[in-house]
Amino acid sequence: AQKITQTQPGMFVQEKEAVTLDCTYDTSDPSYGLFWYKQPSSGEMIFLIYQGSYDQQNATEGRYSLNFQKARKSANLVISASQLGDSAMYFCAMREADYKLSFGAGTTVTVRA
Amino acid sequence: NAGVTQTPKFQVLKTGQSMTLQCAQDMNHEYMSWYRQDPGMGLRLIHYSVGAGITDQGEVPNGYNVSRSTTEDFPLRLLSAAPSQTSVYFCASSGSGPGANVLTFGAGSRLTVL
Repeated sequence: AQKITQTQPGMFVQEKEAVTLDCTYDTSDPSYGLFWYKQPSSGEMIFLIYQGSYDQQNATEGRYSLNFQKARKSANLVISASQLGDSAMYFCAMREADYKLSFGAGTTVTVRA
Repeated sequence: NAGVTQTPKFQVLKTGQSMTLQCAQDMNHEYMSWYRQDPGMGLRLIHYSVGAGITDQGEVPNGYNVSRSTTEDFPLRLLSAAPSQTSVYFCASSGSGPGANVLTFGAGSRLTVL
């Protein structure tokens, strides 16, 4: 079974607007971590934001925030005030107790001027 | 800081050839792993290690071998390359304690098998 599901293969967003990238996960571990990575066209993997399963508050890092809904097993990434440099592939990932990190298929975001 | 260093960045092989992708990290990370990235499939875990002398299989281990003789190095070996192994390979490492779970990735190695 898929551990991480990203249902949006591609999205377009207007510059300066916000965009939400969906991510749902599946685990029976009580302790896990959720991550978002950005992969620009140059190919490197850039860590954006982390949410632990026991964290009470939603994680935020600058223009990135993670909308964590534990009961729904959802960890959506919100990018506020989109910039042209935000155009990239975005991956949701989950790390369980065995340290293995499972990735979703990714969502391509294109920011339009 | 060098972080995670992968070599080579690009490699072309013929079917049946063998090769080793090198991965080294200078952050004293206990956890190291190899992923392959194929279009539309995200990153899939090949093998991983939680410390020197310990390795385990991930989601797609067939056709690949690994070893972890030191904390710093985690080479990935293709014993007999197949066209299905054409992919981009990433090495990644992290610490294993609380708050140290973020994986740091290497720049990637693009492998083509003809």
